[in-house]
Amino acid sequence: AQSVTQPDIHITVSEGASLELRCNYSYGATPYLFWYVQSPGQGLQLLLKYFSGDTLVQGIKGFEAEFKRSQSSFNLRKPSVHWSDAAEYFCAVGRASNTGKLIFGQGTTLQVKP
Amino acid sequence: EAQVTQNPRYLITVTGKKLTVTCSQNMNHEYMSWYRQDPGLGLRQIYYSMNVEVTDKGDVPEGYKVSRKEKRNFPLILESPSPNQTSLYFCASSNTLANTGELFFGEGSRLTVL
Repeated sequence: AQSVTQPDIHITVSEGASLELRCNYSYGATPYLFWYVQSPGQGLQLLLKYFSGDTLVQGIKGFEAEFKRSQSSFNLRKPSVHWSDAAEYFCAVGRASNTGKLIFGQGTTLQVKP
Repeated sequence: EAQVTQNPRYLITVTGKKLTVTCSQNMNHEYMSWYRQDPGLGLRQIYYSMNVEVTDKGDVPEGYKVSRKEKRNFPLILESPSPNQTSLYFCASSNTLANTGELFFGEGSRLTVL
């Protein structure tokens, strides 16, 4: 069965520091991978996605993620965190791009210290 | 503006009192889905619909009903709410024909069942 694990429930970083949020997935075929962000009181917004091709994908707000098949991982990174990045981040995996069905991880809450 | 609209955004009700959470999208998307978000569990899919008059159970369908009579609307019905249905609910839609896999989310409906 498909599953997604985000090992870190809560992460705190200082403003300006680099960030990496971990995501591991379990899936038998090539997955479709997504990162979403949820700001307080808001719905989820797509940050970036991977379907195929270049394993390093760029997203909005300066985020990037790298797909590593050998490690079944799709970690999210940002070189310099801003206070406005404080939010909850969700990794998700889909069976195919045309079904709409996604399996979400438990989420990682990011706190940014001044 | 392209959006997914949910109502109500906040609701407090009592056990057994039927309620409906409405969801409407203006993007002509084929796929619509309901998720519930609970701390430590991420988002879990309740029901989804691939198109009009086509609905199917997600991972946690017990206690919920849905209908898809029109393409734009996908209401979530709780016939006899119970306290374990206290949660944050999200409606989402996707253009499956575009093959992007991206889900567009509403802003959420926070439901409390006393």
